[in-house]
Order: sequence, then structure tokens, then C-alpha cells
Amino acid sequence: GENVEQHPSTLSVQEGDSAVIKCTYSDSASNYFPWYKQELGKRPQLIIDIRSNVGEKKDQRIAVTLNKTAKHFSLHITETQPEDSAVYFCAAVRSGYALNFGKGTSLLVTP
Amino acid sequence: NAGVTQTPKFQVLKTGQSMTLQCAQDMNHEYMSWYRQDPGMGLRLIHYSVGAGITDQGEVPNGYNVSRSTTEDFPLRLLSAAPSQTSVYFCASSQGQGREPQHFGDGTRLSIL
Repeated sequence: GENVEQHPSTLSVQEGDSAVIKCTYSDSASNYFPWYKQELGKRPQLIIDIRSNVGEKKDQRIAVTLNKTAKHFSLHITETQPEDSAVYFCAAVRSGYALNFGKGTSLLVTP
Repeated sequence: NAGVTQTPKFQVLKTGQSMTLQCAQDMNHEYMSWYRQDPGMGLRLIHYSVGAGITDQGEVPNGYNVSRSTTEDFPLRLLSAAPSQTSVYFCASSQGQGREPQHFGDGTRLSIL
């Protein structure tokens, strides 16, 4: 089955800096890669996703890049703000199967 | 449109007790799933369903049962609670299996004494 590795497990940045979280996956047939943000005590919420036919997707301060050859994808957050502090999860899946999540990255943005 | 609704929000059980965690969605989603979240372990899939009458096991199914008699409801049953099942449980639904964003409920925090 699919195995998703996520790094780093914790990340601390200063407000205004960029943050990058990286994930690798094992199943070359995976074709959907969502990212979720989970604030303390709350549900995971989708922040951005990318499909295998796209190499990059951007939504305001967040972007995701996908390298199918290397089987890795990354989340980029620019101009970080304290409210970006949360746990971020990547996931990978191929159609017809269940999502496999990484173990999460705890991001702390300090003022 | 309430999305995905989970009940209860909190529950404390004694070892050996049984209970059902409820999950309902009003988005007419075919795909529903249950995850447990433990510190440092991410979200692990317990069971999932691709439609009414169809269920399948995920990564950590032991000790749990599910059924899907309607599109809207997907209850998770703990047959004989064990301390190792202390966790936060999330139900999720999506339009398509593995192809569309998943919508999560607010979670159930379960403690087994």
C-alpha cells in the first residue's frame, strides 16, 4: 500500500518568513495530493490540493509543488502569520483507494 | 447544510464496555470513512465505505465494527473497549473515493479507563 513520509515533524519560523513542508510517497499510481491544516482541538481542514496532471498550484500565500518522477510534493507558505500556526498533514492516494496521511508537521510562527 | 456531524463530542468508558460513535452527513456523499488520531501518529484509517451496504477495512480495523445502511449514516462500534482505543476519532466524507476533498467532522474524544 501507499506510504507517505512527511518532514519535518516540527517547524518554527518567524512571522514573515516562508515555511516549507515536504512529503514523499511510495505508490507511483497515486494521483491526488491534498494538504490539511488542523488547529488545536479542531478538525482537519483542506487548504489546498493538487492532482498528478499539474506540477504546481497556488492559492494566495500557499502553494503546492509536485514532482512525480521523484515522488515528492511540498507545501510552501509565504509571508507566514501567527494564525498559520497549526499541524499540517499531507496525504496521497490513487483513485478508488483511501487517503494515506503523513504523520504531520507542527508549525509554529512566532511574532 | 450541517456537513459532517459526529456525536458524542466526548465520552469516557470503562474497559470492556461497548459503544457506538455516530456520524452523519447531509451532502449526499458516497464515500465515508473513520480515522483515529493519536499523538505523533497522524490520521490512521479504521474503516471506510464507498456506498450504502458496502464497507471495508482500513489500516487499523481490529476492535471496531461499522455498517452503512443509508448514504447519510456511518456509525462506528467499539465492541469491547480497551485502553489502547483511547483516541480522537474523526469521521469524514467525500464525493468520490480518494479523488475529492474529504470533509471532516469535529471529532469524538474517547477515553477508556
